[in-house]
Amino acid sequence: AQSVTQLDSQVPVFEEAPVELRCNYSSSVSVYLFWYVQYPNQGLQLLLKYLSGSTLVKGINGFEAEFNKSQTSFHLRKPSVHISDTAEYFCAVSLLFGNEKLTFGTGTRLTIIP
Amino acid sequence: SQTIHQWPATLVQPVGSPLSLECTVEGTSNPNLYWYRQAAGRGLQLLFYSVGIGQISSEVPQNLSASRPQDRQFILSSKKLLLSDSGFYLCAWSVRTSAVNEQFFGPGTRLTVL
Repeated sequence: AQSVTQLDSQVPVFEEAPVELRCNYSSSVSVYLFWYVQYPNQGLQLLLKYLSGSTLVKGINGFEAEFNKSQTSFHLRKPSVHISDTAEYFCAVSLLFGNEKLTFGTGTRLTIIP
Repeated sequence: SQTIHQWPATLVQPVGSPLSLECTVEGTSNPNLYWYRQAAGRGLQLLFYSVGIGQISSEVPQNLSASRPQDRQFILSSKKLLLSDSGFYLCAWSVRTSAVNEQFFGPGTRLTVL
């Protein structure tokens, strides 16, 4: 079975500073990878996804993530954060086959400090 | 375009009372449907998913149940609520025929059991 680890439950960052949110996964087969964002009291919104091809994936709101197969990681980055980036971020994996479910990490709460 | 609706948006119920949360999807046919719960300060827990009318898979034992009476309708129910049922309930859908299980989330229902 696959699993997702988000080691940082909370990450405080000053406004306009860079940020990296870490995600590691475990799976015996190939996977698709996703990052979702959840603003307070809202549903989840897809930030970006890795399916195949280039390991650097660009998403909405200036975020990008890099797939590293050897390190089984899919870290999310943004070069300069804004107050509006304050939210909870979830990493998720899906198997290439038997694709009915997503496995989510426990989430990282990103707090932007003015 | 596709949209997903959940209602009610917020709900306060006494312990022991029944529950019915509804989720409907528009603009797509034969979706996979999902119910998740977020307890305070915790990640996403998959409760149920459905790949078709009347087909329900339960992920965790609990006093909740789910039903799918129509193709694009997914209902979460309980006969008697517990305090531990409090949380944020999210419905999601994905394209059944897609090889990629990208899920699209509704706005959520905040349930408080007193």
